[in-house]
Amino acid sequence: GENVEQHPSTLSVQEGDSAVIKCTYSDSASNYFPWYKQELGKRPQLIIDIRSNVGEKKDQRIAVTLNKTAKHFSLHITETQPEDSAVYFCAPLRNRDDKIIFGKGTRLHILP
Amino acid sequence: EPEVTQTPSHQVTQMGQEVILRCVPISNHLYFYWYRQILGQKVEFLVSFYNNEISEKSEIFDDQLSVERPDGSNFTLKIRSTKLEDSAMYFCASSYSYNEQFFGPGTRLTVL
Repeated sequence: GENVEQHPSTLSVQEGDSAVIKCTYSDSASNYFPWYKQELGKRPQLIIDIRSNVGEKKDQRIAVTLNKTAKHFSLHITETQPEDSAVYFCAPLRNRDDKIIFGKGTRLHILP
Repeated sequence: EPEVTQTPSHQVTQMGQEVILRCVPISNHLYFYWYRQILGQKVEFLVSFYNNEISEKSEIFDDQLSVERPDGSNFTLKIRSTKLEDSAMYFCASSYSYNEQFFGPGTRLTVL
């Protein structure tokens, strides 16, 4: 919530390489840290999330790491594939059922 | 796997007309949301709904908009007198208490 920034705004990665997107936030009461993926013309879809009592979570090629002290969390995608091309949004929340305030996102391009 | 559904997928209307966008949330969900996304821009929160009343609304949600849960399954967004700037993709989302929000596929509204 409050101020949320993602870096970079655009990222181009060679297929097979890794991609990392960082999200910084200001609300120290944030407890839930999801990442959403939106393909062109499609709905936002939750791809991974983490709660504040966990430092890292991994699901196959996707991982999220959280540094609550520094107020940032990152999305890591390994062995990138063409279908990973999309816009990715972080949306830290106090509670999972809070409204989602989407930022501008990070546009990820996977290059052949 | 249960999904949020929305109808119609595309709605074309004349300026000044009323439109109703329909959503069927996942059946045991308790929290309902509408978001909109103007072409090329970020997803914006409109309104959240819980226990048959609005729990939060954004400044975008003016008196031309209303939401309703007319029966046990549908959740609707009404725009009373459409304007050109209402043209956007409208996403419905639902969640069970303290769980992730699931988004519907969206309704593309075009106001002529």
